Amino acid sequence: DAKTTQPNSMESNEEEPVHLPCNHSTISGTDYIHWYRQLPSQGPEYVIHGLTSNVNNRMASLAIAEDRKSSTLILHRATLRDAAVYYCILRDAGDAGGTSYGKLTFGQGTILTVHP
Amino acid sequence: EADIYQTPRYLVIGTGKKITLECSQTMGHDKMYWYQQDPGMELHLIHYSYGVNSTEKGDLSSESTVSRIRTEHFPLTLESARPSHTSQYLCASSHRGGPYNEQFFGPGTRLTVL
Repeated sequence: DAKTTQPNSMESNEEEPVHLPCNHSTISGTDYIHWYRQLPSQGPEYVIHGLTSNVNNRMASLAIAEDRKSSTLILHRATLRDAAVYYCILRDAGDAGGTSYGKLTFGQGTILTVHP
Repeated sequence: EADIYQTPRYLVIGTGKKITLECSQTMGHDKMYWYQQDPGMELHLIHYSYGVNSTEKGDLSSESTVSRIRTEHFPLTLESARPSHTSQYLCASSHRGGPYNEQFFGPGTRLTVL
C-alpha cells in the first residue's frame, strides 16, 4: 500500500476551522484517499473519502491537490467533540471487484486537540 | 450510527484462561475484520472474512482464531490467554466490494491478561 505522512499532532480552538494535512507522494492513479477518526476509547469512524475532486459531507471537506500527492481534511468549525486521532489512508481501487479483502492500513495519524 | 456490537467492552482475566470476544453486526455485511491496537499505537489487521465459512489471517500474526458460521457473527477466541495478549481488539465490517466502501467499527474490547 502507498504510504501517507501526517503531522503527529495539531491544536485548534473551538469554533475555528482546522486543516489537517496528509502527504501521499507515492499515490497511484487508482488509490482512493480515505479519512477516518478515532475518538478516545472508541473504534475508528469513517469521515470522508475522495479520488480526484474535492468532496464535502456533513462532517468535513476533503481538498485534494491537483497532482494528488497531498490532501487536506477540513473541519469547518471545530468542536470539543472533534478531538480525536485522524487517519489518512489510501485504498487501492483493485478492491473494486471484491477480490482484495479491503483492509485499512492505519498509520500513526494526527492527534487533534481542541481547546475551549 | 453503525450497528456493530462487541462484548465484553472490558475484560480482565488470568493467564491460561480461554476467552472469546464477541462481534455482531446487523447490516448484512459480507466482509468482517478484527484489528488489534495497543495503547497509543496503530491498528493492525489480525483476521478478516469475506463471508460465511471464510476466514483469513491478516497482516499481524496473532495466536487468536476466528470463525464465521453466520453472516452477522465473527467471534475471536484465545485458547490460552497470556499477558502479551493484553490489548484492545476492534471488530469492523463493510459491504462487499469497492475501495470506497466505508468500514464500520465496533466500540472495541479492552483485554487485560494478568
